Amino acid sequence: LAKTTQPISMDSYEGQEVNITCSHNNIATNDYITWYQQFPSQGPRFIIQGYKTKVTNEVASLFIPADRKSSTLSLPRVSLSDTAVYYCLAPPGGGSYIPTFGRGTSLIVHP
Amino acid sequence: DTEVTQTPKHLVMGMTNKKSLKCEQHMGHRAMYWYKQKAKKPPELMFVYSYEKLSINESVPSRFSPECPNSSLLNLHLHALQPEDSALYLCASSQARTGTSGGHQETQYFGPGTRLLVL
Repeated sequence: LAKTTQPISMDSYEGQEVNITCSHNNIATNDYITWYQQFPSQGPRFIIQGYKTKVTNEVASLFIPADRKSSTLSLPRVSLSDTAVYYCLAPPGGGSYIPTFGRGTSLIVHP
Repeated sequence: DTEVTQTPKHLVMGMTNKKSLKCEQHMGHRAMYWYKQKAKKPPELMFVYSYEKLSINESVPSRFSPECPNSSLLNLHLHALQPEDSALYLCASSQARTGTSGGHQETQYFGPGTRLLVL
């Protein structure tokens, strides 16, 4: 199965914008890219989902270039409570849908 | 109600014990999942049920036995586990949809997990 690739960790400071990029070279042609957030000892929580161009909700924005081989999660003005692990899921093509979590990005927000 | 509940929150069991983990959702989702997550690792898919039928088994050892009694409930029966099976067990549900692109547009809702310790 094709895997997603994300930076293992990132550091930021309160009030900054954070951009986390995920590479998914073999994404299925028509499937959506989904991002989840996970705090320690809790289940992942859905953040945002998109297919192309840009999607924005009250929490984040998701940018997807035309070739869809990557996507960028943008968190505006992060706070300490945004410290978490962020996962992107991008289904590979060629078969039934099997959700596969990559290694994720551990974001630490400093005061 | 967008909540997935899991019981128990914590479980300690010996290698000869039999126990069960339970998961429940009332969102009308027809897909339910079990994941296993070790510390500092991503969730690993174990099983997927679709319309109460097992559709995916990711080569999970037979000491883990899933069951889907109805569309709202998902169980994971545990027997003769090993210490390395200690982990956070997560349940999730989703209503798989076809997006405007014609592809999968799936959002999974996760429960809080059961922290399992096998002694």
